[in-house]
Amino acid sequence: AQSVTQLGSHVSVSEGALVLLRCNYSSSVPPYLFWYVQYPNQGLQLLLKYTSAATLVKGINGFEAEFKKSETSFHLTKPSAHMSDAAEYFCAVSPPGTASKLTFGTGTRLQVTL
Amino acid sequence: EAGVTQFPSHSVIEKGQTVTLRCDPISGHDNLYWYRRVMGKEIKFLLHFVKESKQDESGMPNNRFLAERTGGTYSTLKVQPAELEDSGVYFCASSHPGQGAETQYFGPGTRLLVL
Repeated sequence: AQSVTQLGSHVSVSEGALVLLRCNYSSSVPPYLFWYVQYPNQGLQLLLKYTSAATLVKGINGFEAEFKKSETSFHLTKPSAHMSDAAEYFCAVSPPGTASKLTFGTGTRLQVTL
Repeated sequence: EAGVTQFPSHSVIEKGQTVTLRCDPISGHDNLYWYRRVMGKEIKFLLHFVKESKQDESGMPNNRFLAERTGGTYSTLKVQPAELEDSGVYFCASSHPGQGAETQYFGPGTRLLVL
């Protein structure tokens, strides 16, 4: 079975500061990994995904994540936070290959302050 | 291209009533998923359709939940009778067949409150 752990249900950063949202996974085989974002009153939007190609993955809005097999991690980063980044972020995992269900972490709510 | 749409956006019903949620996937997407997020908890998988067939229904909580996808286009999720613990946000997602099928596109969700 696969699982995802997101450390920190709430993270607060100042505008312009580094954003680091942590995600660790458990899987018997190298999985596919995803970060989704949910802005207030909206659905989930895909930020980026890892599907066994390059370990450093760049996504939308300046976010990126690095797959580290040795640490079973897929942390999300952004060099400089913007007020518009305030949202809830979800890490998810799925088995590699074809279409399959996603297993989500509990989510991290990012607050950006002036 | 239209995204995944869900109807209604909100529903408030009383315990024991029936509610039907609808999902229209992106055109051409054979894969359709239902997920649910109960307040304060993680988003959990309910089931997966490939066209009109149920590929995986391991996440369906009990037999009060019935999902259908007649004709392989839109899907409905019926809860009958609804219980208090069914409250939450129900998300639908879809993905196209073949390469890239791992990428799921989500709808805005239906917020269900059972009183």
